[in-house]
Amino acid sequence: KNQVEQSPQSLIILEGKNCTLQCNYTVSPFSNLRWYKQDTGRGPVSLTIMTFSENTKSNGRYTATLDADTKQSSLHITASQLSDSASYICVVSPPSSGGGADGLTFGKGTHLIIQP
Amino acid sequence: DAGITQSPRHKVTETGTPVTLRCHQTENHRYMYWYRQDPGHGLRLIHYSYGVKDTDKGEVSDGYSVSRSKTEDFLLTLESATSSQTSVYFCAISVEGGGTDTQYFGPGTRLTVL
Repeated sequence: KNQVEQSPQSLIILEGKNCTLQCNYTVSPFSNLRWYKQDTGRGPVSLTIMTFSENTKSNGRYTATLDADTKQSSLHITASQLSDSASYICVVSPPSSGGGADGLTFGKGTHLIIQP
Repeated sequence: DAGITQSPRHKVTETGTPVTLRCHQTENHRYMYWYRQDPGHGLRLIHYSYGVKDTDKGEVSDGYSVSRSKTEDFLLTLESATSSQTSVYFCAISVEGGGTDTQYFGPGTRLTVL
């Protein structure tokens, strides 16, 4: 069964510090890997999308990396801000999904708290 | 938010009653989805639609039905709600571009079944 495991489950860091969230997956082959940010009480919002051939993708202070050989991805947040407090969800898509997206596998997310 | 709205945003109902949740989009995207999100689980796909009157089951479809009579509306129905269907429900659409598709999610509906 395709799985996506995220670590840590939760993380507390001080404002201004950097942090890295991890995602390990067993989906193979896969088409792309996505990171979403979900604020409390809201729907997830896409941060990055990487195809299997990409190693890194940035979106402002967010940088995602992908190692397709080890089936690992990380999301690095630089100079954290209070607004970064949210859940971060890793999602892996197999090749057959295309526009249907019916085969997406979602991780359970990492709950990040930024303290002032 | 890609023009996605969900209604109601909150609902409390009793076991055995029917419930319908509505998802509305303003941009005529072909694909629409219903997910549920529960503590300890990732988002799980209930049903999805790839066009008017074209729908298919997802991972956790038991106890749910859907309908799509117009491009802009995707309805999720719980024929007889159970306490296990207490959850937060998210609607999503897919927007294709650059060789990949991006999913945009609605604000969610919090459903409590007593």
